[in-house]
Formats: sequence, C-alpha cells, structure tokens
Amino acid sequence: DADVTQTPRNRITKTGKRIMLECSQTKGHDRMYWYRQDPGLGLRLIYYSFDVKDINKGEISDGYSVSRQAQAKFSLSLESAIPNQTALYFCATSEAGTSDRGYTFGSGTRLTVV
Amino acid sequence: GQNIDQPTEMTATEGAIVQINCTYQTSGFNGLFWYQQHAGEAPTFLSYNVLDGLEEKGRFSSFLSRSKGYSYLLLKELQMKDSASYLCAVNVRGGSYIPTFGRGTSLIVHP
Repeated sequence: DADVTQTPRNRITKTGKRIMLECSQTKGHDRMYWYRQDPGLGLRLIYYSFDVKDINKGEISDGYSVSRQAQAKFSLSLESAIPNQTALYFCATSEAGTSDRGYTFGSGTRLTVV
Repeated sequence: GQNIDQPTEMTATEGAIVQINCTYQTSGFNGLFWYQQHAGEAPTFLSYNVLDGLEEKGRFSSFLSRSKGYSYLLLKELQMKDSASYLCAVNVRGGSYIPTFGRGTSLIVHP
C-alpha cells in the first residue's frame, strides 16, 4: 500500500458543485500539505497543517477549505468549484522540523471542472 | 518572498551528462531540494543541500553555492527513464520551513 493515498484519482465535476478530495497517510508524520500543480506554474501551496489542531493558509487558499480529521487524514474541499480550479492536486506529508528527507507525495488527484 | 528560476525545458542524448541549473533569491535560506517528477505522477525526493559543495548519489549529484544563490543537478549516464521534470525547491528559516518550488525543468532524453 502507498504511504500517502489520495482519492479520487480523477474527477470531473460541474461548476458550482462542492467537492472533497481526501488524503490519508501511513507515514506517521505530523505535517500534511495540499498543493496544486498547473502546467508552467509548478507546485503551489494551498493549505498546510502541522498537527491535528493546526491549520494554515498557503499561497493560494481562496476558494478552498481543509479539514484535519486525524493525524493520518487531511481533506481538501472546494465549496463551489470553478473552471480555473481545474488542476492536478497533490497531498504531501513530512516530518516535523527541518527535514533532509523532503516530502512524501500522494499520487495526485486530477480534477476537471466543466 | 522567494524568486526561483530554472530553465523550462532541456534535451539530452541517452548516455550523456546533463546539468540542470537553479538560481534563487531569498532571505533566510536554509537549504535546497531537488525532486524528480514523471508526467502525471507524484514528485519524488532526490536530494537536499544545506552546505556548499557537491553531493553525489549514484548517477545523480547536486551542487550548492549559497553565496551565489545557485544550485545544479547533474545527471550522468542518462537513461530514457530519466525523461521527467526536475523541481528545485528552496527552504527558508522561519516559523514554517515550508519549501517554495520553482516551475520545474522538463528534461527530454532521446536515443
């Protein structure tokens, strides 16, 4: 089984719909992140959480919300999806503090908003 | 904020050596990551440089010069499977230590 699992892998949704992307991990890491990736723009941080009671906005949090249900679970919601939220979304985890091991990423969710 | 610059695309021949550069401008620099990402897949960690110099891991090496704000990833004995995007990410001191990613360099290896 993967260390970081994202569901669904692919999703097509209509403008205005609410959608939730889920992420679970077996790494035992406290820190979890949500990124989106667009062609030519690289990875941009949406939200991050350093423990169950900690939620922080990233670079591009508008239009998104998150929930940290447990140490192992971190969900990303789009309350009212719009076409420019079409992107590849990645969940990632890391150890606390400065780590020379980097992030562990999930396999991604490809979201299309029509 | 951080400004990270990488070439958009590079091509190289199987068996050759390629160097992918990354320059950055940031305050509070703490370290620099390199990740590999195959198309449609998750990024995977390659290296993390904190001190100046070259670190070698098999066919891949990463170099850092803190004074010049410069790093490179060196890939030797290129294989077709090395065709991927290579992401440079800068870690800064501060409350969060969350790295900022560059836009990535797409490397195409041809026979």
